[in-house]
Amino acid sequence: GDSVTQMEGPVTLSEEAFLTINCTYTATGYPSLFWYVQYPGEGLQLLLKATKADDKGSNKGFEATYRKETTSFHLEKGSVQVSDSAVYFCALSDGAGGTSYGKLTFGQGTILTVHP
Amino acid sequence: ETGVTQTPRHLVMGMTNKKSLKCEQHLGHNAMYWYKQSAKKPLELMFVYNFKEQTENNSVPSRFSPECPNSSHLFLHLHTLQPEDSALYLCASSQDRGSTDTQYFGPGTRLTVL
Repeated sequence: GDSVTQMEGPVTLSEEAFLTINCTYTATGYPSLFWYVQYPGEGLQLLLKATKADDKGSNKGFEATYRKETTSFHLEKGSVQVSDSAVYFCALSDGAGGTSYGKLTFGQGTILTVHP
Repeated sequence: ETGVTQTPRHLVMGMTNKKSLKCEQHLGHNAMYWYKQSAKKPLELMFVYNFKEQTENNSVPSRFSPECPNSSHLFLHLHTLQPEDSALYLCASSQDRGSTDTQYFGPGTRLTVL
């Protein structure tokens, strides 16, 4: 079945450092890929998404590029802030015919802590 | 403000109690979802409703009973739960069930089963 694997955390960075959180996936169809963020005590918020190969999603300084050849969707940010401290989830929703069609399959989440 | 609200935000119940979780979306969406978020486990999809019809039951025990009276409201009825059911229960909605549709999440109900 479909699956998403994220780099293990927690990740601890100093403010203004460069961030990469790796995400790779396995899917039977042609999935859409998502990054969600969960701040303490809150639900998940969509951070960015990409719906086809080579698409780049971006939002709030975060970027991720859909790489079909490496089945990856790594999250990057050039300069993190303390307010970026949260849990980040990579997820996929498979295309028609895929086992995750119309539903999200999540990675295990990566905790990010940014210190001043 | 995501447009998806959940009540209560926190719930403590004994194993013999019956309680219900409520979710309401103000986005005009057609699909609604229940997820379970446990510590150290990926989010687990429990149920999916599309146009008020249940389209997915992800092998959830019968002690969890969903109800979707209309496209804006989703309930999760709980009875005779176990301590391992303690978790954050998240509701989400999306315009439709297509693979490109973004799911919008509520803040969750933190459930503790004693």
